[in-house]
Amino acid sequence: DAGVIQSPRHEVTEMGQEVTLRCKPISGHNSLFWYRQTMMRGLELLIYFNNNVPIDDSGMPEDRFSAKMPNASFSTLKIQPSEPRDSAVYFCASSLPQGKNIQYFGAGTRLSVL
Amino acid sequence: AQTVTQSQPEMSVQEAETVTLSCTYDTSESDYYLFWYKQPPSRQMILVIRQEAYKQQNATENRFSVNFQKAAKSFSLKISDSQLGDAAMYFCAYRSARGGADGLTFGKGTHLIIQP
Repeated sequence: DAGVIQSPRHEVTEMGQEVTLRCKPISGHNSLFWYRQTMMRGLELLIYFNNNVPIDDSGMPEDRFSAKMPNASFSTLKIQPSEPRDSAVYFCASSLPQGKNIQYFGAGTRLSVL
Repeated sequence: AQTVTQSQPEMSVQEAETVTLSCTYDTSESDYYLFWYKQPPSRQMILVIRQEAYKQQNATENRFSVNFQKAAKSFSLKISDSQLGDAAMYFCAYRSARGGADGLTFGKGTHLIIQP
């Protein structure tokens, strides 16, 4: 299995631009998670999906952030408009639905907003 | 809400020695899962070990073992025979066992340095 695949690996953009991060979960995993990692706040859960349905988006920082999962093999996290404080590493992870199951992480996208 | 605390921002150990990383958590739930993840400079998050709260026996994975004290809400990681490849950030994480696949709650991490 190729694991969780995220793209791009690095993204540099200017303030005000739209940014779209992409994630392909492990085949057969029906839970998908988006996390953000910063020095100040550590690793934070932004949103998670079960069977393509958003379950909890309480971690999404503000309306500029949105996430979709149009099918079982693809998810996007969009920031519009982007701000310098959005600079972080964004991780996608997937798992089988029960709590005992391991979450497997992608390699992350390092976002820099200038 | 659950919280996870790692009180050691940085730890250093000589190669081949043993080191213990501390983690405490706060929850009102009785059933949950605890994890240690490793993040090397490549930034890939790698699972090290997992503990189910209903199991009294401490989990072990080769050189890695945990000391799980449910009453004290403590979940420390012991690395035996430390190797240079163990150098990384280590994160303790909590996940609820209640219905639905909740996300992980992470501690702030411990930076482990291995001295050759």
